[in-house]
This record gives sequence, C-alpha cells and structure tokens, in this order.
Amino acid sequence: GNSVTQMEGPVTLSEEAFLTINCTYTATGYPSLFWYVQYPGEGLQLLLKATKADDKGSNKGFEATYRKETTSFHLEKGSVQVSDSAVYFCAPPPKAGGYNKLIFGAGTRLAVHP
Amino acid sequence: NAGVTQTPKFQVLKTGQSMTLQCAQDMNHNSMYWYRQDPGMGLRLIYYSASEGTTDKGEVPNGYNVSRLNKREFSLRLESAAPSQTSVYFCASSEEPLAGSYNEQFFGPGTRLTVL
Repeated sequence: GNSVTQMEGPVTLSEEAFLTINCTYTATGYPSLFWYVQYPGEGLQLLLKATKADDKGSNKGFEATYRKETTSFHLEKGSVQVSDSAVYFCAPPPKAGGYNKLIFGAGTRLAVHP
Repeated sequence: NAGVTQTPKFQVLKTGQSMTLQCAQDMNHNSMYWYRQDPGMGLRLIYYSASEGTTDKGEVPNGYNVSRLNKREFSLRLESAAPSQTSVYFCASSEEPLAGSYNEQFFGPGTRLTVL
C-alpha cells in the first residue's frame, strides 16, 4: 500500500544554516504530495505542494521537488530562521481507495537557535 | 472568514465522564475529519465525513462517536472518557477530492484534553 518514510528528528540548526528534511514515498500512480507545518500550539497548515512529477512546490523560502525516479519529496531551505522552528510533516498519498484519509507520521521537529 | 474553529480549547475530565468536542468550518467544504495527536505518534485519523450525512471510521475510532450535524459542523463525542484518550484533538476540513486524488486539509487550532 501507499506509505511514506520521513526523516526522524529532532533536527537542531543554527540560524542561516541549510535545511534538508528527507521524505520518500511509495504509491500507486503518481499522486499529489504535500508538506505541512505545525508551529507550537497550533494546528497543521499546508506549507507547500506538488501535483505532478518534476513539479516544485515553494513557499516561505522552502522548496520541495517531486522526483518520480527516486520517489522523493525532500524539503529544503537555504537559510533557516528561528521562526522556522516547528514540526514538519510529509503527508503521504492516501491508501488505495482510501479517499482523502491522510495518515500522518510523527513528523520532524526542527529547532533553530540564534 | 474564520476557517476551522474548535471548542473548547482546553478540557479536563475525570475517568468515565462524557463530553463533546465541537468543530465548525465556514469554507463550504464537503469533507471533515477528526484527528488525535500524541507525543511520538503523529496525527492519527479517528473519524472522517466525506460529505454531509456520511461518516466513516479512521485509524483509531474505538471509544469515540461522531455526528455530522450539517455541512458546517462535525462533532466528536467521548461517551466514557479514559486516561488513554488524553491527547490533543484536531478537526480538519477539505474540498471533496476527486477519485484517486486528495486535497489540502485545513486544520483547527486543537483541543487539549486531559483525562484523570
């Protein structure tokens, strides 16, 4: 069935460091892929998405490219800020016939220090 | 446009008590969801409602019931609370996806529930 493997955290970086959070998936077909972010004390919100192979999603300086050949959707940012401290979720494709039932993993916690 | 709202924000219950968590969305979405979030476990789907009048079990439905009251509102009920239900509960909504695809979900701020 469809699944996702996301890099475990926590990830601790200094401000202005480069960030990569790995995400690989298995899926039937080539579904849309999403990254969500959860800031402290809040619900999840969509960070970026890609709807087809080789598509690049971007938002707030974050980017992720939907790579069909490696089945990956790694999240990157060139220079992180303290305000980027949050938990990041790579949302897996739904299970076959699973409608819109997203099943999130534990996410990757990012802590950025000044 | 408030998005997804949840009440209450915090709640403390004693074992065996009952309560209902309320959720409402003003985006005219057909689909709504209830998740729970536990440390180290990520978000797990409790129930979802594809459209008004329908509900289905998710990953962890035991101990919960839901009601899709109308298109806007989707409530989660704990009939007899247990300490294992201590968690943060999130409601979400989305446009109804086409077959084989899925859509962005919009989340509420969460309800922090403690069962003693």
